[in-house]
Amino acid sequence: IVLAQSPGTLSLSPGERATLSCRASQSISSIYLAWYQFKPGQAPRLLVYGASNRATGVPDRFSGSGSGTDFTLTISRLDPEDFAVYYCHQYGSSWMFGPGTKVEIK
Amino acid sequence: QITLKESGPALVKPTQTLTLTCTFSGFSLSTHGVGVGWIRQPPGKALEWLALIYWDDDKRYIPSLKSRLTVTRDTSKSQVVLTMTDMDHVDTGTYFCALGEMISVRSFDYWGQGTLVTVSS
Repeated sequence: IVLAQSPGTLSLSPGERATLSCRASQSISSIYLAWYQFKPGQAPRLLVYGASNRATGVPDRFSGSGSGTDFTLTISRLDPEDFAVYYCHQYGSSWMFGPGTKVEIK
Repeated sequence: QITLKESGPALVKPTQTLTLTCTFSGFSLSTHGVGVGWIRQPPGKALEWLALIYWDDDKRYIPSLKSRLTVTRDTSKSQVVLTMTDMDHVDTGTYFCALGEMISVRSFDYWGQGTLVTVSS
């Protein structure tokens, strides 16, 4: 199973809405779909697991949705600390990651 | 508070063996359902899962690198060790260890900051 993420880069301003897409090459179980946030010099952070469940301590401006082959991470209002790279991840027979979406300040 | 920290050499020569240690706190690797995985990221490239060790000492490896990888644990020291033999320039990258629940959702809940490994003569 291959994960594709789009767009590769998202240029937005603080306060705007970000919609990140993750598409699987074949249908996957939603329980195994997660999203992570990567920032330079910091430990990566789990944001969403099971496609739509926010991890502990994750602000409610982050939400995950989707099923089958199409999944979405939405950041309702971008905070300055949200500018980062986001990866989707799925477990099939092993652990696979998408190529990432960079959310940058416009 | 759960923390993980990777340690190991920043520079290795081609053909050498890389040994990385993940030292963790705040949990026990003997706890039913948990696992510690290793994930790497070459510069400018995608994340790649490498290996995982389960609470019961079962192990999983990425098939393409299985012959070069070994993951072990030292429960008394709260450490997981990854060894990778026959290092090559393409193995340059940041190596992360991460803790996850490996029975249901199988995501990686906590990560270390990563350690950069450069393979160069």
